[in-house]
Amino acid sequence: GQQLNQSPQSMFIQEGEDVSMNCTSSSIFNTWLWYKQEPGEGPVLLIALYKAGELTSNGRLTAQFGITRKDSFLNISASIPSDVGIYFCAGHSTSGTYKYIFGTGTRLKVLA
Amino acid sequence: GAVVSQHPSRVICKSGTSVKIECRSLDFQATTMFWYRQFPKQSLMLMATSNEGSKATYEQGVEKDKFLINHASLTLSTLTVTSAHPEDSSFYICSARDLTGRETQYFGPGTRLLVL
Repeated sequence: GQQLNQSPQSMFIQEGEDVSMNCTSSSIFNTWLWYKQEPGEGPVLLIALYKAGELTSNGRLTAQFGITRKDSFLNISASIPSDVGIYFCAGHSTSGTYKYIFGTGTRLKVLA
Repeated sequence: GAVVSQHPSRVICKSGTSVKIECRSLDFQATTMFWYRQFPKQSLMLMATSNEGSKATYEQGVEKDKFLINHASLTLSTLTVTSAHPEDSSFYICSARDLTGRETQYFGPGTRLLVL
């Protein structure tokens, strides 16, 4: 099925470092969602964005809805070991049938 | 956030048997639920959209007679993998569309299916 381009694919960082990942699409989206998935579990919603330019924080996480409505980024500040996991973006457009398109995921590993 | 449950969390079955997976929204009503399949180290692939009171909408390449979906109430959708084969082994995850407040989507914890 259709997917968003998400980068980077994977990251190895030192504890305490900041992390940035982004998603881009060829289509305009009206909603962007960011999820974290740990092994053997379902994705957990981190941040939801509904308006172009919107900047939203959830603790050490900050995400923005791009002005062009075709991209979004997620930043994690001062990473800690429990940030390890796979981060997915998901975009939704109101055109056509309702469904979310998922990014390919960013696998994050934090070295203590 | 809203809670979505899935049952069972893992199942092992023999080839040729059918397996039913339940997805429930515990604290909100979901007119729309989604079923995804995820292979190791890959993203989620949408299989079908489950609509309460009507037929499910399947994605291209997903056999509707193989993966039966029933959404009989506003809080329950079921996915039945019929005549399962080893290639059906995967991680199946449901999600529910929450229209309470601003619209979003919450996922269940997933069901690991192993077909021997």
